[in-house]
Amino acid sequence: GENVGLHLPTLSVQEGDNSIINCAYSNSASDYFIWYKQESGKGPQFIIDIRSNMDKRQGQRVTVLLNKTVKHLSLQIAATQPGDSAVYFCADRSNDYKLSFGAGTTVTVRA
Amino acid sequence: DTAVSQTPKYLVTQMGNDKSIKCEQNLGHDTMYWYKQDSKKFLKIMFSYNNKELIINETVPNRFSPKSPDKAHLNLHINSLELGDSAVYFCASSQGGGVTGYTFGSGTRLTVV
Repeated sequence: GENVGLHLPTLSVQEGDNSIINCAYSNSASDYFIWYKQESGKGPQFIIDIRSNMDKRQGQRVTVLLNKTVKHLSLQIAATQPGDSAVYFCADRSNDYKLSFGAGTTVTVRA
Repeated sequence: DTAVSQTPKYLVTQMGNDKSIKCEQNLGHDTMYWYKQDSKKFLKIMFSYNNKELIINETVPNRFSPKSPDKAHLNLHINSLELGDSAVYFCASSQGGGVTGYTFGSGTRLTVV
């Protein structure tokens, strides 16, 4: 990607386990980060966001961690379910009106 | 109610043709975008419009011409289609510069043969 990148293109997870998806970004001026989930044949769906003045944010079964020192972002999914199988993207807002995406991590949940 | 809707969902056309994709949002947002997703799932911004004005044009060939008749609509017209234009095109919207998130449509899969 331009400003963000994901460490692994694929992740296989046993149902019920926790998943961690990692992302590195390069633009230290980025002030807002979003994780998206994209299911086959659908558009990216907002999961959770975090602003640069925060280190951690929790949602329902998901947690986003931001480490600005090393420019690293992660998404943790608790108790992964079959419906969590999808491609996950991190994105950063480096300036107004522009959201840049990483290449995506394909998560496959094993029953 | 679909927040961001695109038509058509699928578009198959021959090289050299001209085609349009339409997008409408009912979220009351003032900014709209076109993104292109290639075969490797990489999403890249093409254009962004704020209050009908072009804000970002990411070095897209001028065969691509976006038009925003009002804040709720952003259409994409493509002239002289090429094989490399085959991709999934996503429309998105946000309020302002996007500090509260972006909402995406379900995509238009364009196949040029």
